[in-house]
Amino acid sequence: GAGVSQTPSNKVTEKGKYVELRCDPISGHTALYWYRQSLGQGPEFLIYFQGTGAADDSGLPNDRFFAVRPEGSVSTLKIQRTERGDSAVYLCASSLTPGRNTEAFFGQGTRLTVV
Amino acid sequence: AQKITQTQPGMFVQEKEAVTLDCTYDTSDPSYGLFWYKQPSSGEMIFLIYQGSYDQQNATEGRYSLNFQKARKSANLVISASQLGDSAMYFCAGPTGGSQGNLIFGKGTKLSVKP
Repeated sequence: GAGVSQTPSNKVTEKGKYVELRCDPISGHTALYWYRQSLGQGPEFLIYFQGTGAADDSGLPNDRFFAVRPEGSVSTLKIQRTERGDSAVYLCASSLTPGRNTEAFFGQGTRLTVV
Repeated sequence: AQKITQTQPGMFVQEKEAVTLDCTYDTSDPSYGLFWYKQPSSGEMIFLIYQGSYDQQNATEGRYSLNFQKARKSANLVISASQLGDSAMYFCAGPTGGSQGNLIFGKGTKLSVKP
C-alpha cells in the first residue's frame, strides 16, 4: 500500500490477556517507530527499529511490552498480561532512513482498550 | 533531553483568517529541527512542515509556514486562509537526541475553524 498500515484499527481485550498489534510500513522504509498516545496527550516514543534490529527500546514502559521486526519490514508490538493502563492509541511510523531531520510517516493507529 | 511545550490547549479561528499555533522548545543540542504534525479525528498523524535550526529562511509549505525564532526558542506554526478541514489537533515535535529519528511531542493544540 501507499501508506503505513496498522491492524487492527480497534482492539478490545480483557485485563490479563495478550495482544499483538501489527504495523506494515511504507515499502523500502528502513526505520520504523512505535509510539503510544494516551487521551489528551501527544504521542510518546516506545521503540525504534533500524532494519530488523531494535536500535532503541528505551521508551518501552516495562517488560510486558515487546516488539519484533524479523524481516525488516512488518513489525509486531506485543503486550503481555494487559492492564487497564495500557489503554491508548498505538501509532506506528516509518521513514526512508533514520535521521533527526527526516520526516516520518504515521499510520492511523490501533486503539487498544483493556477492560 | 529535549522538551516541547504547546501552551494553547484549544484555539478558534474564523474561516479564511490566519491563525498562529505556539510551540517552544528546550534543547541543549547545537543542531536540531522541529516538525509540525496535524492529527484529524481519524487519528493519523500528517506531516505538515519542518525546519532545521540552521535554515536561514522560515519554512513554507503551501498555507503553512513556520515562524522560527531561535533566540526565543519558539517555532510557531502559521496557517493562512483557514479552511474548515483544518479543524484538528496540531502537534509540535522535535528529535530526542542522537542520530535516530524518534521524536518527542508537545501536548498539542486543538484548532477549531468556524464557518
